Amino acid sequence: KNEVEQSPQNLTAQEGEFITINCSYSVGISALHWLQQHPGGGIVSLFMLSSGKKKHGRLIATINIQEKHSSLHITASHPRDSAVYICAVGWGSNYKLTFGKGTLLTVNP
Amino acid sequence: DSGVTQTPKHLITATGQRVTLRCSPRSGDLSVYWYQQSLDQGLQFLIHYYNGEERAKGNILERFSAQQFPDLHSELNLSSLELGDSALYFCASSGSQYGTDTQYFGPGTRLTVL
Repeated sequence: KNEVEQSPQNLTAQEGEFITINCSYSVGISALHWLQQHPGGGIVSLFMLSSGKKKHGRLIATINIQEKHSSLHITASHPRDSAVYICAVGWGSNYKLTFGKGTLLTVNP
Repeated sequence: DSGVTQTPKHLITATGQRVTLRCSPRSGDLSVYWYQQSLDQGLQFLIHYYNGEERAKGNILERFSAQQFPDLHSELNLSSLELGDSALYFCASSGSQYGTDTQYFGPGTRLTVL
């Protein structure tokens, strides 16, 4: 079983701040996913990564396979970034996703 | 818009009943995944189908079953419903049979069991 821990559980920031959300897992994985879920429920896949770093606009995701840890960074945060961010790891021969409990981000104007 | 469609959007039913949730994947995607999101358990993987065949099973109850049809749409059948089955049910699709690629999520079906 793969345990996925996210921190912090809740995060409040002012517009323009740099945001970091962390994810740790217990068992070696094939890949790690970062997802975004807005109020109302829709889920959007932000990144899938198995090594190194990926960047998309103001979002940056990094992973350290040896330390079993990933971070999601948001630069110049904006109120529209307010959402739940969920880390999920794919592992095992059948690649099942195990999800963290999510980080609720609120960005105030 | 992810290109994945799910119907119905909302479903309200009673304990003991049976319901069917439907998912149509993005054009060209052969893999369909089903997930359950509840307040106490968070998101949980239920089952993965690739081109009509079951590829992986997660925390899916025996009262639940799924299938993927030749046109690649998938259905999740939930029977003998209990109050605890109330949740959001998402499907996602991707191109890989191994699940090792980006998954595109549908808008979800909110099931309420009274």
